[in-house]
Amino acid sequence: DTEVTQTPKHLVMGMTNKKSLKCEQHMGHRAMYWYKQKAKKPPELMFVYSYEKLSINESVPSRFSPECPNSSLLNLHLHALQPEDSALYLCASTLQPGSNQPQHFGDGTRLSIL
Amino acid sequence: DAKTTQPPSMDCAEGRAANLPCNHSTISGNEYVYWYRQIHSQGPQYIIHGLKNNETNEMASLIITEDRKSSTLILPHATLRDTAVYYCILQGGSEKLVFGKGTKLTVNP
Repeated sequence: DTEVTQTPKHLVMGMTNKKSLKCEQHMGHRAMYWYKQKAKKPPELMFVYSYEKLSINESVPSRFSPECPNSSLLNLHLHALQPEDSALYLCASTLQPGSNQPQHFGDGTRLSIL
Repeated sequence: DAKTTQPPSMDCAEGRAANLPCNHSTISGNEYVYWYRQIHSQGPQYIIHGLKNNETNEMASLIITEDRKSSTLILPHATLRDTAVYYCILQGGSEKLVFGKGTKLTVNP
């Protein structure tokens, strides 16, 4: 069981669709992260939110739009994605931004773009 | 880029100790050595971390050399459920976590 919950677990969408990925944690963590993981590759950082503010964007295309409505919730809005965006999208959180504390990961949303 | 080097794969017999090495020759003074693992179809799971001293918890032991340029993760009695990709990562107060390619550990019956 994981303390970071991601929904949905699987998502199939067309290139013209708009969908959102959701991540939730109730551990009081104030840093939240989105990672992208392609098959047989390590996770790659996409975005970091610190105290509900976007602090790092790793040059991610604008068709990915993150949102942090409150300290427990992180969304990733998807629009006009490409087939190469098919991947496992992982959310993580840690107690405080920049602290030497471990990150807690969800089990991800497996996204397929048709 | 990741600052650690790990062997791409290792095998271990069930019940034996698994010793996973990691080289980090350019480690900075404020960087901790972290280990995570990722079991197939799951998110990465934190295992252990350390700065200078050896560390032990219920999952594993971490041995860091005196010069801090390398470390070894030890799973004392490997089980089939320990089959996973193990990542050694340096973290030094930055918000970023940079994963390397990791070591694919296969525990055999």
